[in-house]
Amino acid sequence: GQQVMQIPQYQHVQEGEDFTTYCNSSTTLSNIQWYKQRPGGHPVFLIQLVKSGEVKKQKRLTFQFGEAKKNSSLHITATQTTDVGTYFCAGPYYGGSQGNLIFGKGTKLSVKP
Amino acid sequence: DAGVIQSPRHEVTEMGQEVTLRCKPISGHDYLFWYRQTMMRGLELLIYFNNNVPIDDSGMPEDRFSAKMPNASFSTLKIQPSEPRDSAVYFCATKRGGGGYTFGSGTRLTVV
Repeated sequence: GQQVMQIPQYQHVQEGEDFTTYCNSSTTLSNIQWYKQRPGGHPVFLIQLVKSGEVKKQKRLTFQFGEAKKNSSLHITATQTTDVGTYFCAGPYYGGSQGNLIFGKGTKLSVKP
Repeated sequence: DAGVIQSPRHEVTEMGQEVTLRCKPISGHDYLFWYRQTMMRGLELLIYFNNNVPIDDSGMPEDRFSAKMPNASFSTLKIQPSEPRDSAVYFCATKRGGGGYTFGSGTRLTVV
């Protein structure tokens, strides 16, 4: 069945270092979304990418959607302790633009001050 | 906007008991999703509704699980009878059209 895979599963960084998580889909996606879940919290929507090769920035966060629309990445520059949490990517089932999403297992980021 | 409201926040129950989780969506959001999150399996979609109508319940693990959305303001997820393996965090999430999901704070269920 359709899968969304994320690597790495865990990442430990020193505060100030950069961080990247990668997301790969087994199918072409019409869009991809990213969420952040703080420890003990709930997932919070960060961004949606729609176009092939699209790059979007939110302050220190850079999101990229691959040319083939099957992969994506999230890069954080100069991590801070407030970046701690699990980052999930998610894509629509079978390339649909509405309805439900399939979530990756997430990358858990810890930041050492 | 109070966001997606779930209750209770925590539930501890004995095996065999009935458990009912509740969700109040954001007004105007036409999709509602129930997810279960565990360390082992991550976020799993259980069921989702569009305009109060169940669209896909293929993720509901067994007949012990049922969900309803009697109106646009309320949804329930019921487990009867509950089992220890049902212990997880259950999230309700809603969205409007093709936008991102807004998740509730979740219900942490422990079945002993």
